[in-house]
Amino acid sequence: AQSVSQHNHHVILSEAASLELGCNYSYGGTVNLFWYVQYPGQHLQLLLKYFSGDPLVKGIKGFEAEFIKSKFSFNLRKPSVQWSDTAEYFCAVNAFYSGAGSYQLTFGKGTKLSVIP
Amino acid sequence: EAGVAQSPRYKIIEKRQSVAFWCNPISGHATLYWYQQILGQGPKLLIQFQNNGVVDDSQLPKDRFSAERLKGVDSTLKIQPAKLEDSAVYLCASSFTFATNEKLFFGSGTQLSVL
Repeated sequence: AQSVSQHNHHVILSEAASLELGCNYSYGGTVNLFWYVQYPGQHLQLLLKYFSGDPLVKGIKGFEAEFIKSKFSFNLRKPSVQWSDTAEYFCAVNAFYSGAGSYQLTFGKGTKLSVIP
Repeated sequence: EAGVAQSPRYKIIEKRQSVAFWCNPISGHATLYWYQQILGQGPKLLIQFQNNGVVDDSQLPKDRFSAERLKGVDSTLKIQPAKLEDSAVYLCASSFTFATNEKLFFGSGTQLSVL
């Protein structure tokens, strides 16, 4: 079965520090990759996605992610975090799941980011 | 635009009772999903509909969970009877199409506590 691994459960950074959140998936076929974010008290929303073309994708609020096919990775980055980036970040992979005979969007367990002013 | 609406926001029941959740997707969205999110985990897909047909329910515990999507719009998810391990947030999401690169719009979820 496909799986998505997020390396860090909780990351604490000071404002202006750089951020990198790791995401690896276990699926060898064609994938579509997503990062979703959940700000405190809000619903999940899309941060960015990759489905083809340039492996470096840019999303909202200065976030970017790089798809490295050989490493099965899709890490999220931001050069300088702000207090307002405090949220939970979920990596997700959409791929064909033979057990279901259809495409499924599978989420990682999430990484909580706390930014200290 | 209006978002995905879910109700109730919270529900507390005792084990072996039944419970139902309701979802109204964004107008015009053909695809609807129900996810279960247990504390400390990512959302897990339970069922997905394309219009009013089921596309995938492979991870739905069919002995106790059921879902329907009437007329390809609103949807209800039911648990009967509930178990302690069903305590979770139940998220509804919708997307315009079933395309694999499609963005999902999520509701705020229903937080279920089974005592």
